[in-house]
Amino acid sequence: DSGVTQTPKHLITATGQRVTLRCSPRSGDLSVYWYQQSLDQGLQFLIQYYNGEERAKGNILERFSAQQFPDLHSELNLSSLELGDSALYFCASSPGGTSRAGELFFGEGSRLTVL
Amino acid sequence: AQSVTQLDSHVSVSEGTPVLLRCNYSSSYSPSLFWYVQHPNKGLQLLLKYTSAATLVKGINGFEAEFKKSETSFHLTKPSAHMSDAAEYFCVVSDRPGTASKLTFGTGTRLQVTL
Repeated sequence: DSGVTQTPKHLITATGQRVTLRCSPRSGDLSVYWYQQSLDQGLQFLIQYYNGEERAKGNILERFSAQQFPDLHSELNLSSLELGDSALYFCASSPGGTSRAGELFFGEGSRLTVL
Repeated sequence: AQSVTQLDSHVSVSEGTPVLLRCNYSSSYSPSLFWYVQHPNKGLQLLLKYTSAATLVKGINGFEAEFKKSETSFHLTKPSAHMSDAAEYFCVVSDRPGTASKLTFGTGTRLQVTL
């Protein structure tokens, strides 16, 4: 158990809809990262938050947004969903924004299916 | 720009035989390199990391990897495979120590272990 909690584990929705994925980082970790894993694109970095502030942006679509709250949990909002958004979305956390680079603690993911 | 190439998408070994998962990297700087493992329906877990210290790195569950700069390789090995090693393995590179958001993941190698 990594200590990172993601909800929901599975989500099925229709095209055009909006969903919110939630992540609680490990106790004490200040950074949260969101990744998308799909068969054709592999594991893609979406965005990082550090202590409530956006720290880095990756291949995140404009239809997607995220935020980190004062209690350090994070939400990833996906809107105007398309079939191609079907994927496994992972949240990961680390103690700091730059410390122990590369050592991320991953949740078990939220599997999104868009029909 | 940095990249990793995992040379095999699928590797099958018998239980008790050695494991070799191959990874080549490309980096503009002195890289940090990592191997992560993903068991079915689980998040990714760090196996081991190289950050410019000893070139032979030992990780969890008996895995190790050797950094070879001349060959730009970071292959993962284990002397004797166990059924519980069946999983997806990802080679990861960061050419900027301290920036976990800049990790580049390989496409993964699925390890199958047979009796």
